[in-house]
Amino acid sequence: DAKTTQPPSMDCAEGRAANLPCNHSTISGNEYVYWYRQIHSQGPQYIIHGLKNNETNEMASLIITEDRKSSTLILPHATLRDTAVYYCIVRVMNYGGSQGNLIFGKGTKLSVKP
Amino acid sequence: SAVISQKPSRDICQRGTSLTIQCQVDSQVTMMFWYRQQPGQSLTLIATANQGSEATYESGFVIDKFPISRPNLTFSTLTVSNLSPEDSSIYLCSARTRDRGKGGLEAFFGQGTRLTVV
Repeated sequence: DAKTTQPPSMDCAEGRAANLPCNHSTISGNEYVYWYRQIHSQGPQYIIHGLKNNETNEMASLIITEDRKSSTLILPHATLRDTAVYYCIVRVMNYGGSQGNLIFGKGTKLSVKP
Repeated sequence: SAVISQKPSRDICQRGTSLTIQCQVDSQVTMMFWYRQQPGQSLTLIATANQGSEATYESGFVIDKFPISRPNLTFSTLTVSNLSPEDSSIYLCSARTRDRGKGGLEAFFGQGTRLTVV
């Protein structure tokens, strides 16, 4: 079973920041927080991941609370093309074993509106 | 990053037949996986495709129904056997690589194969 809880849907105005929350209250010390998104009719796309520090890349920022029980994915200037289902996943860092497999929950359907 | 190509992108098959889906990665990867996404649902892991040995199946999936091959580091096939309408889904191939130095693992996905069983 997925170890995360996300709201089923969110709306965001185009050009505004989209803040997608994720609860992972049972996260273990060796588990990372990963975010993927799936645009309609495409395969999932990696966005960002982190362990305990906040992370930023060209796509998004990831804010992880100090107790690591929740996180927020931030799309700073959402566009219509960011409309997708966003998945928050916790996983261990294990190159060769099944513990590192991606287990998808239901995700958050983000709708960016003009 | 890795680019994953899946063939076919879609197919319509008769019940009782089988469909084989091919997955080609453009670089050597450590692990390859097959997922199923039923209409309106999230992704469910079917199995890990192991190079040169039998695949590792998740609970609820068996080799007789979903035989998998991985003859080398960049290629895998998934066969969905004895098709029924309940097998109508999107099937996705995924590959895992080492990332660019942050100690993480990135997984890449193909565009999926949309299977309709009639």
